[in-house]
Amino acid sequence: NAGVTQTPKFQVLKTGQSMTLQCAQDMNHEYMSWYRQDPGMGLRLIHYSVGAGITDQGEVPNGYNVSRSTTEDFPLRLLSAAPSQTSVYFCASSPGGRSGANVLTFGAGSRLTVL
Amino acid sequence: RKEVEQDPGPFNVPEGATVAFNCTYSNSASQSFFWYRQDCRKEPKLLMSVYSSGNEDGRFTAQLNRASQYISLLIRDSKLSDSATYLCAVIRGGGSYIPTFGRGTSLIVHP
Repeated sequence: NAGVTQTPKFQVLKTGQSMTLQCAQDMNHEYMSWYRQDPGMGLRLIHYSVGAGITDQGEVPNGYNVSRSTTEDFPLRLLSAAPSQTSVYFCASSPGGRSGANVLTFGAGSRLTVL
Repeated sequence: RKEVEQDPGPFNVPEGATVAFNCTYSNSASQSFFWYRQDCRKEPKLLMSVYSSGNEDGRFTAQLNRASQYISLLIRDSKLSDSATYLCAVIRGGGSYIPTFGRGTSLIVHP
């Protein structure tokens, strides 16, 4: 049981390049989300999905796209990378439903540097 | 004002000490509350959920004060291995059930 798998673990991009961070979960969780973590800023929600075919914006969505075509996968696309997107990105999944049960399981993180 | 606020610390305590962190939230309709632990360069992991009546898990005690809109985490008999960042997370009522996190509180336990 792998839980939440993120790839790649590390990536260096040049300004203007695009890329996709992959996220897959094998727990049949309904909810998936992407956070970014910057020093002193905590975890900030980028986008989230409450089920296949349904996505919504979080606190810091600009510059990112998501899609959820299957329950298992929730890729995050950087359209045109900027140095401000240098960060650690965490994908998380949770069962959904009652809020008290909505405990997140995180992936190991993807460290992105934009030059 | 941020929706969820924590003192970033660091809290620097000796082994065996008792230490407490608070986390305040701004939305009175918040429904669910959690403490996550994050080790350096690792992903956050659930430490404990916070129940209305308060709850304990070994050396860890979590409390909720709805009137003053804060949650707390008390760690007794601190161990070196407790050194980490502690993140509080809050789920708003009537929303997406995706948690909002505080910035985290850094704890350093020294010999």
